[in-house]
Amino acid sequence: NFMLTQPHSVSESPGKTVTISCTRTSGSIAGNSVQWYQQRPGSSPTTVIYDDNQRKSGVPDRFSGSIDSSSNSASLTISGLKTEDEADYYCQCYDSGNLYWVFGGGTKLTVL
Amino acid sequence: EVHLLESGGGLVQPGGSLRLSCAASGFTFTNYGMTWVRQALGKGLEWVSGINDSGDTTYYADSVKGRFTISRDNSKNTLFLQMNSLRAEDAATYYCAKFISDGYIYYGMDVWGQGTTVIVSS
Repeated sequence: NFMLTQPHSVSESPGKTVTISCTRTSGSIAGNSVQWYQQRPGSSPTTVIYDDNQRKSGVPDRFSGSIDSSSNSASLTISGLKTEDEADYYCQCYDSGNLYWVFGGGTKLTVL
Repeated sequence: EVHLLESGGGLVQPGGSLRLSCAASGFTFTNYGMTWVRQALGKGLEWVSGINDSGDTTYYADSVKGRFTISRDNSKNTLFLQMNSLRAEDAATYYCAKFISDGYIYYGMDVWGQGTTVIVSS
């Protein structure tokens, strides 16, 4: 089984751009789609990005996803930060070899 | 509007059982795989179990295999999770979610319920 490693926390000011990384510990990041989920305090998760870089309907285009094979990682970039973006963000990938859905440990985004 | 509503959580003693339900609406339930994801208090998301659209293929995390059973009633648009031999470490909020599929595999989740909380304590 592989794991997905995320930074525990990131912080940035309103209006700025932040990038959250998600590194796959074994196997290729390009081997299976990466999804990103947002979880605001006290709420259930919502899907932000699916299939590496596809924004779910209704998600602002300030949110974008990408993968980088050289670092074997995926990234979620949020531009024009707003206070409402403050949340926990989780990456997720399907482990097709073990029939397992793997989540990263989550990154707490603080917008201050 | 797509909507998932979980129920059935509560307080149960270690070793006890609980059955969670997830009522789906706003989409053709029989066309989609479904899954359960849990979150212990203050912790991250953990995948628990999944089931295909017809209900004849199921998937389990190692941590629950042999104790939990996922099932669905497509005539009632409802997903279930039967949880037996519950342990303290099973205490969490349990979310049901609709799988995203590319036609070959279920690779992620696109709609989530609001969750139901399970407390395991004597």
